[in-house]
Amino acid sequence: QKEVEQDPGPLSVPEGAIVSLNCTYSNSAFQYFMWYRQYSRKGPELLMYTYSSGNKEDGRFTAQVDKSSKYISLFIRDSQPSDSATYLCAMSALGARDDKIIFGKGTRLHILP
Amino acid sequence: NAGVMQNPRHLVRRRGQEARLRCSPMKGHSHVYWYRQLPEEGLKFMVYLQKENIIDESGMPKERFSAEFPKEGPSILRIQQVVRGDSAAYFCASSAGLNEQFFGPGTRLTVL
Repeated sequence: QKEVEQDPGPLSVPEGAIVSLNCTYSNSAFQYFMWYRQYSRKGPELLMYTYSSGNKEDGRFTAQVDKSSKYISLFIRDSQPSDSATYLCAMSALGARDDKIIFGKGTRLHILP
Repeated sequence: NAGVMQNPRHLVRRRGQEARLRCSPMKGHSHVYWYRQLPEEGLKFMVYLQKENIIDESGMPKERFSAEFPKEGPSILRIQQVVRGDSAAYFCASSAGLNEQFFGPGTRLTVL
């Protein structure tokens, strides 16, 4: 079992729809959870950063962490064509501030105008 | 405030040549990480460095690859005697040591 599993997609949704992206993981030591957005031929851009379980909202984006199920989600409301990109989940362990980050393979998202 | 800078953005090498990839972290960041991304693959950790020290190189191939982060100047990822399988996008990230890593635009290496 891989440490982080993420459906590669592609996921195509119409403009204005709510998008749900998710990842599962196996390492219960993970405490820091991140979502990155990567446009084609660009570097990943940090979108959301959460610690432990719970929700975090930033504009149209909401990140959820359910540690009991080892499941994290990113919701995008009122999706726009400019949201079309690859979304990477990432996580690292508690207490190891300099611990390496483990990335999912990324989900390709297409927002259809 | 400039972000993480990487150069060159594109690098073409023939098999057997050396590739040198440079990374300048964000101002105030002393932690540098190198990742490799193959087509349709996620980011794979290679090495983590602080100034003049390699902290974790568990993701680095044992041969031909090396990295440094000198007291002055950028971090350098060096690949000797490149092979076609080294063709990939190489990303550098920097942090202030708080898990949030900020990525550069990457260097796309093509080995002919």
